[in-house]
Amino acid sequence: AQSVTQLGSHVSVSEGALVLLRCNYSSSVPPYLFWYVQYPNQGLQLLLKYTTGATLVKGINGFEAEFKKSETSFHLTKPSAHMSDAAEYFCAVSETKSGYSTLTFGKGTMLLVSP
Amino acid sequence: KAGVTQTPRYLIKTRGQQVTLSCSPISGHRSVSWYQQTPGQGLQFLFEYFSETQRNKGNFPGRFSGRQFSNSRSEMNVSTLELGDSALYLCASSVADMYEQYFGPGTRLTVT
Repeated sequence: AQSVTQLGSHVSVSEGALVLLRCNYSSSVPPYLFWYVQYPNQGLQLLLKYTTGATLVKGINGFEAEFKKSETSFHLTKPSAHMSDAAEYFCAVSETKSGYSTLTFGKGTMLLVSP
Repeated sequence: KAGVTQTPRYLIKTRGQQVTLSCSPISGHRSVSWYQQTPGQGLQFLFEYFSETQRNKGNFPGRFSGRQFSNSRSEMNVSTLELGDSALYLCASSVADMYEQYFGPGTRLTVT
């Protein structure tokens, strides 16, 4: 069964600092990996995804993530945090079995950005 | 294209009542999934429907049920509401399965 672990329920950074949100997964088959962002009182928005090919994936709002199979990780980074990045971030893994995909989410990491 | 819409956005119910939430997926999307989100448990998968059939189900009691119509619109029902059912209920749609889902804004249910 697939599972997702996000290290740190809260991460605090200063505006302009590097953002690093950690995600490790377990999957019995090559996974598809996703990062979603949720702003207060809103649904989840897809930030970026890894399916196949290049392991460094670029997403919206300057975020990127790198798939490292040997470490079973898919950490999310952004070189310089903005106040508008404050939100909750979810890592998710998708597996395909019995002909269709299922999606499993991590518990989320709240990103706090201070001026 | 219009996004995923959910109605109502906010709902207050009394313990013991039942509630029905509605979700309209993105046009052309045939898979609809439902999630419950709470501060304590995070995002938990309820069920997924595809072509009017429940294809996948999470670990929730039978009080939680759903259905999907021929136009892919979906409803979920919670009977005999409990205080612990207070949550944000999110609907997500995708083209054919749960890969790359698009989420609605959610319905905030408060049970008093």
